[in-house]
Amino acid sequence: EAGVTQSPTHLIKTRGQQATLRCSPISGHTSVYWYQQALGLGLQFLLWYDEGEERNRGNFPPRFSGRQFPNYSSELNVNALELEDSALYLCASSVGYRESPYNEQFFGPGTRLTVL
Amino acid sequence: DQQVKQNSPSLSVQEGRISILNCDYTNSMFDYFLWYKKYPAEGPTFLISISSIKDKNEDGRFTVFLNKSAKHLSLHIVPSQPGDSAVYFCAASRANAGGTSYGKLTFGQGTILTVHP
Repeated sequence: EAGVTQSPTHLIKTRGQQATLRCSPISGHTSVYWYQQALGLGLQFLLWYDEGEERNRGNFPPRFSGRQFPNYSSELNVNALELEDSALYLCASSVGYRESPYNEQFFGPGTRLTVL
Repeated sequence: DQQVKQNSPSLSVQEGRISILNCDYTNSMFDYFLWYKKYPAEGPTFLISISSIKDKNEDGRFTVFLNKSAKHLSLHIVPSQPGDSAVYFCAASRANAGGTSYGKLTFGQGTILTVHP
């Protein structure tokens, strides 16, 4: 069974540009989560999508946004990139919240975003 | 406000011995806890979880203990193997009153485990 996949592996952008990161969940999973791991910091929750809807959002500015497609894949968009957005962006998936009140999340390998 | 804390940045153990990784939390609303292992340049790998209605969960070499009164959990690895060397994260989540997960995992800062042959 294929795990969570993310693309691209690495992304280099300059300050002020926009970045788009993509994620495909494990087959059968309807929930997708995004996390940021900046240097020296732990994993910080960004966004949670389930059944095409944004269900929860972490403490990040509105220029971090995303969406979930009908096939449950997801993309994360970061507008007006700042130097401090340089980080590893991790996507995770789980069964939908209607199936289980608890969420074992399975992570992809991440996208390393570098903002110059 | 760090709600999940792993106070030991690193731990070094001998192969075959027990590794004990600790985690403390402050939010009493957390009711589900997970441990992940992470190798460099890879995403975290799920290891084991425990809900707040239990105080112990075991899966092969991995056992997680939960002490709700102390808001403390620990991961025991017995016996430790060199391949266990990685960064270990504990994470916590909460269900809402209706039992539907909020989705968000709150992670500790991680503990680097090194198992020496």
